[in-house]
Amino acid sequence: NAGVTQTPKFRVLKTGQSMTLLCAQDMNHEYMYWYRQDPGMGLRLIHYSVGEGTTAKGEVPDGYNVSRLKKQNFLLGLESAAPSQTSVYFCASVKGAIYNEQFFGPGTRLTVL
Amino acid sequence: ILNVEQSPQSLHVQEGDSTNFTCSFPSSNFYALHWYRWETAKSPEALFVMTLNGDEKKKGRISATLNTKEGYSYLYIKGSQPEDSATYLCASILTGGGNKLTFGTGTQLKVEL
Repeated sequence: NAGVTQTPKFRVLKTGQSMTLLCAQDMNHEYMYWYRQDPGMGLRLIHYSVGEGTTAKGEVPDGYNVSRLKKQNFLLGLESAAPSQTSVYFCASVKGAIYNEQFFGPGTRLTVL
Repeated sequence: ILNVEQSPQSLHVQEGDSTNFTCSFPSSNFYALHWYRWETAKSPEALFVMTLNGDEKKKGRISATLNTKEGYSYLYIKGSQPEDSATYLCASILTGGGNKLTFGTGTQLKVEL
């Protein structure tokens, strides 16, 4: 049982490049979330999903897209990376009800030059 | 209170000291309150999920209380140890606010020998 995994762990992009971050969970959790963490800002929600085939916008969705084609995977895409998207990205999943605890992945550190 | 606010922002205590932090959150439409412990270079891990006014939860030397009418929660650490050094995050869920958590910016605790 690997829990929540994220791929890649680190990445450096040039402005304008695109990439996809993968979050995978093997706990059969219904809800999945993408956050970004910046100094002094705490965790801010980018997008989330309440089930396979569904997605919704969070607090800071601009510049990102997501897809949840399979229950176990939640993809975060950057179509045209900008330096403002330099951050650490965390994925999380929740089983059953939203008030249950969130299980976090190890994070992806992204630098956009 | 419109957002989730935590105080203090940072705290230095000596080993053996007891300490506490505050989390303030919107009291209207309250649904649940989470506490997470976040060690440097790791992922956040859930400490408590609290839903009822007057709730008290305990895990070892760490405990938390909840007041939903006035919109605050306290986290207490008794006899702090160096391994308690971490950032402690709280997050709230509101009814009608979508299936998502809103995080505070955290209290960074450093326990010194």
